Amino acid sequence: GAVVSQHPSRVICKSGTSVKIECRSLDFQATTMFWYRQFPKQSLMLMATSNEGSKATYEQGVEKDKFLINHASLTLSTLTVTSAHPEDSSFYICSAPHPGTQITEAFFGQGTRLTVV
Amino acid sequence: AQSVTQPDIHITVSEGASLELRCNYSYGATPYLFWYVQSPGQGLQLLLKYFSGDTLVQGIKGFEAEFKRSQSSFNLRKPSVHWSDAAEYFCAVGSSNTGKLIFGQGTTLQVKP
Repeated sequence: GAVVSQHPSRVICKSGTSVKIECRSLDFQATTMFWYRQFPKQSLMLMATSNEGSKATYEQGVEKDKFLINHASLTLSTLTVTSAHPEDSSFYICSAPHPGTQITEAFFGQGTRLTVV
Repeated sequence: AQSVTQPDIHITVSEGASLELRCNYSYGATPYLFWYVQSPGQGLQLLLKYFSGDTLVQGIKGFEAEFKRSQSSFNLRKPSVHWSDAAEYFCAVGSSNTGKLIFGQGTTLQVKP
């Protein structure tokens, strides 16, 4: 199947700093990618839809100035957590849809564990 | 509004026993349905998917799921559970064929020796 790579897998940063997370589709092009956030023992919540060449679409309640998304190429989307605070500590997962015969399937990255200290 | 409910937060089964994980969805049109598995600290792996056709869907690792429109359900089953099946399982619904998903709360599966 298609491969989506996410980097880094773990990151620890100090409060007030910014962290960039990369999501790459390795063997296919993705004009759209999705960013999810997962708190411990909870489900995945969609944060935003990353659109290649245009602005991201954010879900209700997600601060677009805090979670900057850039989709500069057909294989790369980045999520930057700006001015990180401890409450931003979470597991962030990206996905990239790949058209199938009948159903578009979302392939997920390995996730990034962000810890803000 | 679309939603997915997994009524069982945690399930424990003995190795070799059968398994059924429940999933109910709420959606106005024909949904795109998925089951994913997540190991600790890892991303998600697709087990199976359904949109149309045969309502009994076969997936990887011996899993299957049955779509029941009348019950708005898409329950996941496996006849004989292996210790390696212990993980978190998520049911998800797609509002359209775009790959954008709404996830259920997840069910943690524990397998007893």
